[in-house]
Amino acid sequence: GAGVSQSPRYKVAKRGQDVALRCDPISGHVSLFWYQQALGQGPEFLTYFQNEAQLDKSGLPSDRFFAERPEGSVSTLKIQRTQQEDSAVYLCASSLASGGVDTQYFGPGTRLTVL
Amino acid sequence: AQSVTQLGSHVSVSEGALVLLRCNYSSSVPPYLFWYVQYPNQGLQLLLKYTSAATLVKGINGFEAEFKKSETSFHLTKPSAHMSDAAEYFCAVSEGGGNKLVFGAGTILRVKS
Repeated sequence: GAGVSQSPRYKVAKRGQDVALRCDPISGHVSLFWYQQALGQGPEFLTYFQNEAQLDKSGLPSDRFFAERPEGSVSTLKIQRTQQEDSAVYLCASSLASGGVDTQYFGPGTRLTVL
Repeated sequence: AQSVTQLGSHVSVSEGALVLLRCNYSSSVPPYLFWYVQYPNQGLQLLLKYTSAATLVKGINGFEAEFKKSETSFHLTKPSAHMSDAAEYFCAVSEGGGNKLVFGAGTILRVKS
């Protein structure tokens, strides 16, 4: 079946612009995660949803970052007033249930470049 | 807090040689441990995971890893490297009952012909 998809794959924004990144998880997956991967680094956790509920947003770096999953499927990560330090690959992952042992399936990521 | 240390940001092996990628973790509770592989411009793909069922875990593409509690290690090995194994490998930890993954910085594996 289809895996996790993300769009756009590449986004270039001027500093100060708002951007919205979309994630389509695997159908039926309860949990959805966002990670940020800076160049040369491992992914870092941003936020976690269980269905439509955002249960953990401890990794969001500032109040310019906002994520939602209103119907418990598609999720959007929004970054307001982008800064150069926001340049990174944003990865979305989904898992079938909500346990720590469940495999997270990753999308290809959105590469954001802020000029 | 959980953390993961991957020793060696770059590892180079000859085709057919043993692959050994090192991972040490820190966790206050029994952890779940994962190895993921990332090919250029692709998402992360799970190679294998440790969930306390067995200390030696076998994964896809001939990879395996051994959980050693006394050494807080979860090193990834493959007996014979193939050119197609060239990629970046990430070790990650998730505390029991938790959800988010904490990743190491990654190790880029180069396979020489």
